Amino acid sequence: GENVEQHPSTLSVQEGDSAVIKCTYSDSASNYFPWYKQELGKGPQLIIDIRSNVGEKKDQRIAVTLNKTAKHFSLHITETQPEDSAVYFCAASSGNTPLVFGKGTRLSVIA
Amino acid sequence: ETGVTQTPRHLVMGMTNKKSLKCEQHLGHNAMYWYKQSAKKPLELMFVYSLEERVENNSVPSRFSPECPNSSHLFLHLHTLQPEDSALYLCASSPQGAANEKLFFGSGTQLSVL
Repeated sequence: GENVEQHPSTLSVQEGDSAVIKCTYSDSASNYFPWYKQELGKGPQLIIDIRSNVGEKKDQRIAVTLNKTAKHFSLHITETQPEDSAVYFCAASSGNTPLVFGKGTRLSVIA
Repeated sequence: ETGVTQTPRHLVMGMTNKKSLKCEQHLGHNAMYWYKQSAKKPLELMFVYSLEERVENNSVPSRFSPECPNSSHLFLHLHTLQPEDSALYLCASSPQGAANEKLFFGSGTQLSVL
């Protein structure tokens, strides 16, 4: 089955700097890659997703890149702000099997 | 507000107790899910219901018993739990139950088993 590895487990950045979180997956049939953000006391919330027919997707300060050959995808947050502090989860699915999540990255943005 | 409401937010129970977790979604979705979230582990899918029928059961111990009376409500009945069952239990919903759909999560029930 699918296995998703996520790095780093914790990340601290200065406000205004960029943050990058990386994930690798094992199943070459996977074609859907969402990213979820979980704030303290809340459930995860989808912030961006990418499908295998594109290599990059951007939404304001957030972007995701996908390299299908290498089986890895990354989340990029630019101009970080304190409200970006949260736990971020990547996930992968082939569409026929349930989403498999990474272990999460705790991002701290230091003002 | 995600449109998915879970109660209670916190629950402490002994190993011999019986309790239930409740989830309600106001989004008109056809699929509902139970996930278990433990520290330093990936989110674990427990159960999936699509149009009130269970379509996924990931080898979850029988001390966890789900119930989906209609497409808006989902319960997780708990009995004779173990301390290792202490975790955050998250409910989610999605429009059709496809694996490549956006999931809408509730805020979870933090369960402590003593």
